[in-house]
Amino acid sequence: DQQVKQNSPSLSVQEGRISILNCDYTNSMFDYFLWYKKYPAEGPTFLISISSIKDKNEDGRFTVFLNKSAKHLSLHIVPSQPGDSAVYFCAASGRGNAGNMLTFGGGTRLMVKP
Amino acid sequence: EPEVTQTPSHQVTQMGQEVILRCVPISNHLYFYWYRQILGQKVEFLVSFYNNEISEKSEIFDDQFSVERPDGSNFTLKIRSTKLEDSAMYFCASSLGVVSPLHFGNGTRLTVT
Repeated sequence: DQQVKQNSPSLSVQEGRISILNCDYTNSMFDYFLWYKKYPAEGPTFLISISSIKDKNEDGRFTVFLNKSAKHLSLHIVPSQPGDSAVYFCAASGRGNAGNMLTFGGGTRLMVKP
Repeated sequence: EPEVTQTPSHQVTQMGQEVILRCVPISNHLYFYWYRQILGQKVEFLVSFYNNEISEKSEIFDDQFSVERPDGSNFTLKIRSTKLEDSAMYFCASSLGVVSPLHFGNGTRLTVT
């Protein structure tokens, strides 16, 4: 199932710089997108979401951009901090419904170096 | 901050045995879910539950699986006769509403031998 794809399995960034995590999707019925962060031995933690009626949503250091024509979204973290080191998952849902049947990407492991 | 709690953190069982995974969702949440992640694979949706009934389920959620909310606080996933391929991390989640982010528990690692 490749409906949601994160092509970079890992990303290394210097502290203070911008981290950009990318996600592509194929299902045009998806209309709600979320980013989750996951530390080892913990469950995914919700970070930020965006509805398909928007192209940008910002929350503190985190901004999500959505390009519907390209079926692409990205998560920008600026400035990156060592505590941001984790696996980041993008997820998508159809029918404007975050709750039902989230489809996850494979994750990108972000390492922020001090 | 309220959180979803799951027990046990690790469950080892023999093939063919029944197993029950337990979850306490966030108290004012109305929607409940189970997801799983097989080692090295993506997080996959299993089932969603609202108003004491299943609202959605995936192809993975076959007759071997069942969910229950036996009281006002617990939400359980039962696997009737476990198979080796059921070995995975099982995550419980809850959300306040239909268009609300899911809050996940820390998971139960199920190992079927």
